[in-house]
Amino acid sequence: NAGVTQTPKFQVLKTGQSMTLQCAQDMNHEYMSWYRQDPGMGLRLIHYSVGAGITDQGEVPNGYNVSRSTTEDFPLRLLSAAPSQTSVYFCASTYSGGNQETQYFGPGTRLLVL
Amino acid sequence: GEDVEQSLFLSVREGDSSVINCTYTDSSSTYLYWYKQEPGAGLQLLTYIFSNMDMKQDQRLTVLLNKKDKHLSLRIADTQTGDSAIYFCAETVNTGFQKLVFGTGTRLLVSP
Repeated sequence: NAGVTQTPKFQVLKTGQSMTLQCAQDMNHEYMSWYRQDPGMGLRLIHYSVGAGITDQGEVPNGYNVSRSTTEDFPLRLLSAAPSQTSVYFCASTYSGGNQETQYFGPGTRLLVL
Repeated sequence: GEDVEQSLFLSVREGDSSVINCTYTDSSSTYLYWYKQEPGAGLQLLTYIFSNMDMKQDQRLTVLLNKKDKHLSLRIADTQTGDSAIYFCAETVNTGFQKLVFGTGTRLLVSP
């Protein structure tokens, strides 16, 4: 299994540009989520999905869109990038079963918005 | 509200024990986690504890949970320089989806 993969690893954008951060998992997990990590603030949930066709907002959803057309993929779209979206973005998928619930994180995408 | 707090920094010498502390607010959390993040890398799950447990040991790692005080700790025995990283605790919050709420992370520096 490749686990959770994210592309690109690094990206530089100009203010107002749009882009899509890709996330894929091959573990057949229903739950997937996107977090952003900023210094001194830990990880904050942007959007999440409980299955194909179902998405919902986390605590910091503004400026981001998501879709979940397949179980494997959960892309995050920045519609019009702003400097405040400079961050490290992590995608995660969640295994839930028995007495265990575990989130697996991708390696992250480092985004700089100028 | 949901809030997870950690001290920002811990420095120890190689071979000593490290104890990283965390307090959380949601008493209904079912799982509490410890993640490790090395520089430039993603988060790696170290261990987790179910809310009906007081202690969990996994090789050099010992997790203690005090539900009354909503206090979680991670003890690393015989700390090595390779343990230098940021350690995040996280609690699960059930909002229909088991959302993870993370602390701000504790940076552990292990000196030789």
